Amino acid sequence: SQKIEQNSEALNIQEGKTATLTCNYTNYSPAYLQWYRQDPGRGPVFLLLIRENEKEKRKERLKVTFDTTLKQSLFHITASQPADSATYLCALVPHSGGGADGLTFGKGTHLIIQP
Amino acid sequence: DTGVSQNPRHKITKRGQNVTFRCDPISEHNRLYWYRQTLGQGPEFLTYFQNEAQLEKSRLLSDRFSAERPKGSFSTLEIQRTEQGDSAMYLCASSPLDEQFFGPGTRLTVL
Repeated sequence: SQKIEQNSEALNIQEGKTATLTCNYTNYSPAYLQWYRQDPGRGPVFLLLIRENEKEKRKERLKVTFDTTLKQSLFHITASQPADSATYLCALVPHSGGGADGLTFGKGTHLIIQP
Repeated sequence: DTGVSQNPRHKITKRGQNVTFRCDPISEHNRLYWYRQTLGQGPEFLTYFQNEAQLEKSRLLSDRFSAERPKGSFSTLEIQRTEQGDSAMYLCASSPLDEQFFGPGTRLTVL
């Protein structure tokens, strides 16, 4: 069956360090993968999108990698700050539907940046 | 730019009642999505509109659920004969192409 796995436990990182979050998937052939941030009681906020033919994407302190052989995406936050504390969601869009399908989300990883 | 708005933000209802939620997307976005999210889980896709056409429905969307998007603008999601298992956050998102812009959600509690 199709599955998306993210670190199920909270990730505690010291301020200033790099936080690395993992998203693994099985039985998917994603056209692209997205990362979202979600704060308690709010809707997810789009961060980055990476396509299957791209290895890496960067945006300010954020970096995403995508390895279709390993079926894995890594999400990095460099120089982490307490304000980066949130739940980070990985989401896939399969090839079928021309990219118009709804997103399939992982459960998310709760990131805590400690001062 | 007001972003995606959803109303009401909270709804408490008794089992068996019908409820309706509204989503106002970002005006220039022709794609609109509904998701459901329960505690500790990621959002689960329910249905998708391109303009006024409902193009996709998840198997999660039972016959008690119906969604509309008249004239390709706002959308409504109705749940008939609510059950306790329907308690969740209902999220709406709109999209110009790939990335999705989510509203704040409507939290439904079924007693």
